[in-house]
Amino acid sequence: QSVLTQPPSASGTPGQRVTISCSGSRSNIGSNYVYWYQQLPGAAPKLLIYRSNQRPSGVPDRFSGSRSGTSASLAISGLRSEDEADYYCAAWDDSLSVVVFGGGTKLTVL
Amino acid sequence: QVQLLQSGAEVKKPGASVKVSCKASGYTFTSYGISWVRQAPGQGLEWMGWISAYNGNTKYAQKLQGRVTMTTDTSTSTAYMELRSLRSDDTAVYYCARAPHMTTVTPNFDYWGQGTLVTVSS
Repeated sequence: QSVLTQPPSASGTPGQRVTISCSGSRSNIGSNYVYWYQQLPGAAPKLLIYRSNQRPSGVPDRFSGSRSGTSASLAISGLRSEDEADYYCAAWDDSLSVVVFGGGTKLTVL
Repeated sequence: QVQLLQSGAEVKKPGASVKVSCKASGYTFTSYGISWVRQAPGQGLEWMGWISAYNGNTKYAQKLQGRVTMTTDTSTSTAYMELRSLRSDDTAVYYCARAPHMTTVTPNFDYWGQGTLVTVSS
């Protein structure tokens, strides 16, 4: 059972906008930045969003992040087949003193 | 360009130890930290701990405390993760990841190694 809760799966058709949620608590998302990672099949994770809504250089602006209260979300607009991957949210947890990850969301592009 | 090159796959028996290396290049090693993250087969990501390459300070996940040791060799820009008393549920791909803060642990991992598969089996 992960400390951060994500839906196990999401799907969309090419060109659509999809949103992946990440629910936590006051000790993690409620008081710290959220980070998002994309993991393509057989590859290492890749940083997609840092500090809740910032994109590293090279990440397309189709990807955006937001945080409100104890929840966060990742939005992907103009969905492409190459976006098919697992997506993880992460945050620091002040109570546990660890980095916590969500369980991951498998995104399928139909 | 920043690269983290990890050591090769390992097969260990229960109760044994494993030491995984992560050689960094393309940046000033001592200006960053290194976190270790593992992923059991078909499962999600689990943070194991962090070491500052600047001063050697460490922070370990409580569930691994006492079994894990993270070190660095600044002369070769290499980070190491040793896990002892291996169990079958330690079977996973182990990743090192660069952390942009040299003194603070955050979930900000901007570059990752390719991963090292550690299999624990009798």
